[in-house]
Amino acid sequence: ETGVTQSPTHLIKTRGQQVTLRCSSQSGHNTVSWYQQALGQGPQFIFQYYREEENGRGNFPPRFSGLQFPNYSSELNVNALELDDSALYLCASSSQGEDTQYFGPGTRLTVL
Amino acid sequence: AQSVTQLDSQVPVFEEAPVELRCNYSSSVSVYLFWYVQYPNQGLQLLLKYLSGSTLVKGINGFEAEFNKSQTSFHLRKPSVHISDTAEYFCAVVKGGSYIPTFGRGTSLIVHP
Repeated sequence: ETGVTQSPTHLIKTRGQQVTLRCSSQSGHNTVSWYQQALGQGPQFIFQYYREEENGRGNFPPRFSGLQFPNYSSELNVNALELDDSALYLCASSSQGEDTQYFGPGTRLTVL
Repeated sequence: AQSVTQLDSQVPVFEEAPVELRCNYSSSVSVYLFWYVQYPNQGLQLLLKYLSGSTLVKGINGFEAEFNKSQTSFHLRKPSVHISDTAEYFCAVVKGGSYIPTFGRGTSLIVHP
């Protein structure tokens, strides 16, 4: 069974740029969630996708957007990057209706 | 809305000593409770979870937690810690039917030799 994978592991961008982060769900999972974990904080929920549609959203602005593909892999896109977007971005997959999410190793984004 | 409070930001302890990491939650509805561990530069790994039934839950790596509804707590315990337990520990609550966890700010467990 393949776990959740994310790419890239690290990324450096400058303010105002756009970034795309990628996630491959664990085999058999049809739901993916994205989280932002700032330094010294717990993960904050960004949004969740189920069957290629957004299925819940946290308190993040519209410049945070996502996609889920038919194979249940997913992308997180962030436009007009700000310094405060620097964080570890975590992807988690699950089966719809199940209570447990399985997390990937994360992508560390640094905005200069 | 639910919230999670982890009362200690850092817990230093000597190897082979017992440890308790505290977690309190607030919610007006039934909840599911989780503890995750995060090792340096890694994602979150599920330690244990409470959904229903027995209030004492056993997880991986010798950890256990007890759900106390009257005190709205879900403290994590281990009777004897190892150096390898040094990590960040997160408590999370999921409102029944939501499937989206709210995380605490984390407790850094530091095990000294």
